[in-house]
Amino acid sequence: AQSVAQPEDQVNVAEGNPLTVKCTYSVSGNPYLFWYVQYPNRGLQFLLKYITGDNLVKGSYGFEAEFNKSQTSFHLKKPSALVSDSALYFCAVRGGIKAAGNKLTFGGGTRVLVKP
Amino acid sequence: ETGVTQTPRHLVMGMTNKKSLKCEQHLGHNAMYWYKQSAKKPLELMFVYSLEERVENNSVPSRFSPECPNSSHLFLHLHTLQPEDSALYLCASSQDLPERGGNEQFFGPGTRLTVL
Repeated sequence: AQSVAQPEDQVNVAEGNPLTVKCTYSVSGNPYLFWYVQYPNRGLQFLLKYITGDNLVKGSYGFEAEFNKSQTSFHLKKPSALVSDSALYFCAVRGGIKAAGNKLTFGGGTRVLVKP
Repeated sequence: ETGVTQTPRHLVMGMTNKKSLKCEQHLGHNAMYWYKQSAKKPLELMFVYSLEERVENNSVPSRFSPECPNSSHLFLHLHTLQPEDSALYLCASSQDLPERGGNEQFFGPGTRLTVL
């Protein structure tokens, strides 16, 4: 069974400071990892993904994430946070099983609050 | 914005009513999903359709009945719901490529359901 843990329910950061949202995973085979963001009263928006290749993945809105196989982590980062980055962030994983349906397992979400 | 639309955006229904949620994707994808998002609970995958066939049914109560008439449309038929079914119901679609680990899912804005 695959699982995702986001250990922090909320992260508070001052505008302009670095932002990190943590994610660890458990999966059989090679992991396929995703980050999504959800703004109030909206659906989830895709930010970035790791499938294979370079461990540092760059995504939308200046976000990036680093895949660390030994630590089974995929932390989301942004060098300089904006107030508009305040939202709910979800990490998701799919195991490397060739099954139809692209089933993702999501973490519980981390609320990010960026203060001016 | 994401190419996935959901109607209605808000729905209030009594426990004896029958209603349907509709999802439409304009992205040419071959897989569609229903998720339930409750307060303080992880995103729960309910149903997955790949190439119009149901490939996942996560022990969802029979009062929820999905229908996928074609690759662009997905319905969730509701009947005799319970108050605990009140939640945000999200639809998503993706291009299902199992041999490549799957592509990211694109989410609709959701239907906020309240069961009285």
